[in-house]
Amino acid sequence: NAGVMQNPRHLVRRRGQEARLRCSPMKGHSHVYWYRQLPEEGLKFMVYLQKENIIDESGMPKERFSAEFPKEGPSILRIQQVVRGDSAAYFCASSHTGTGAPQPQHFGDGTRLSIL
Amino acid sequence: KQEVTQIPAALSVPEGENLVLNCSFTDSAIYNLQWFRQDPGKGLTSLLLIQSSQREQTSGRLNASLDKSSGRSTLYIAASQPGDSATYLCAVKTGANNLFFGTGTRLTVIP
Repeated sequence: NAGVMQNPRHLVRRRGQEARLRCSPMKGHSHVYWYRQLPEEGLKFMVYLQKENIIDESGMPKERFSAEFPKEGPSILRIQQVVRGDSAAYFCASSHTGTGAPQPQHFGDGTRLSIL
Repeated sequence: KQEVTQIPAALSVPEGENLVLNCSFTDSAIYNLQWFRQDPGKGLTSLLLIQSSQREQTSGRLNASLDKSSGRSTLYIAASQPGDSATYLCAVKTGANNLFFGTGTRLTVIP
């Protein structure tokens, strides 16, 4: 009865390296959301995906960041050429498909990214 | 653009006290409002979700109210316990696909 699973829990990278963050949604959920929480700040929306489609990436930085949610496997948030300012907690949430009232989002425990 | 504000930023109370956390939002055109709990180094746990057509939701010692027209919500915690110590986040869902979060209220319940 797994909830939203994120890995790794902690990730350390040097400036200029690539970071890959993974998110497996709850069983039966096909909507995935990525949020970023900078130190001492609230969570900020980055991107919303459904299987094989990016629906809304209005919160995603234009450069170096990309996200995917393939037909098989977890959703991936990829950060290329990381900089110190990318240090943050990255949270993934998922929700159920369906019509009617928007479904609640269920969150994972996050990935804490530290850039040396 | 939707902005969510939570007051106070931090709160310390002795065990057993009742307390109220406040959340305000600038755009009243919301689908729902959620209250979350976040423990240090952990993810978010959903506490209560209020649809825009509802006025309040209750779960155990927690009661959340929503006044959509004035852009306000409160989270009432009765008979606080040390285990309630955490950061409480308020988030609203608008016509966009994402949640807009406040910066949270850090609650400490002193034994």
